[in-house]
Amino acid sequence: GENVEQHPSTLSVQEGDSAVIKCTYSDSASNYFPWYKQELGKRPQLIIDIRSNVGEKKDQRIAVTLNKTAKHFSLHITETQPEDSAVYFCAARRDNTDKLIFGTGTRLQVFP
Amino acid sequence: DGGITQSPKYLFRKEGQNVTLSCEQNLNHDAMYWYRQDPGQGLRLIYYSQIVNDFQKGDIAEGYSVSREKKESFPLTVTSAQKNPTAFYLCASSIGLAAYNEQFFGPGTRLTVL
Repeated sequence: GENVEQHPSTLSVQEGDSAVIKCTYSDSASNYFPWYKQELGKRPQLIIDIRSNVGEKKDQRIAVTLNKTAKHFSLHITETQPEDSAVYFCAARRDNTDKLIFGTGTRLQVFP
Repeated sequence: DGGITQSPKYLFRKEGQNVTLSCEQNLNHDAMYWYRQDPGQGLRLIYYSQIVNDFQKGDIAEGYSVSREKKESFPLTVTSAQKNPTAFYLCASSIGLAAYNEQFFGPGTRLTVL
């Protein structure tokens, strides 16, 4: 079955710096890769997603890149702000299933 | 606030007792899911349901049971057979089976076994 590995588990950056979180997946049939943000004590919320027919997607300060050959995808946050502090989860899903396989999460801390 | 609710927010249980966690959605979504969240382990799928009166085991279904009698409701029972039930439980829903459907999460229930 699918396995998703996420690194790093914790990441501390200075406000204004960039942050990058990387995930690798095992199932080459996976074709949908969402990223969720979970603030302390709150529910996970989708922040960006990418399909396998696209190599990169951007939404303001957030971008996701996908390398299908290497089976990895990354979340990039530029000009980080204290409110970006949260746990970020990547996930992967195959087209013919209804299951998301999540990574183990990255705790991002942005220091003012 | 997303249209998916869970109750209670906090739940305490004595060892050997069954307990049921509630999940309700008013989004008219066909698919519903239960996840367990433990520190450092991400979200692990317990059960999911694609349609009323049907559900499938996820990756860690042992010690849990579910029902899907109504489209809006997907309660999870944590039985006494679950060896380590203390965790944060998240319910989610999505429009349906298609791969690109966003999953919307409820606020979660924190279960503590005393």
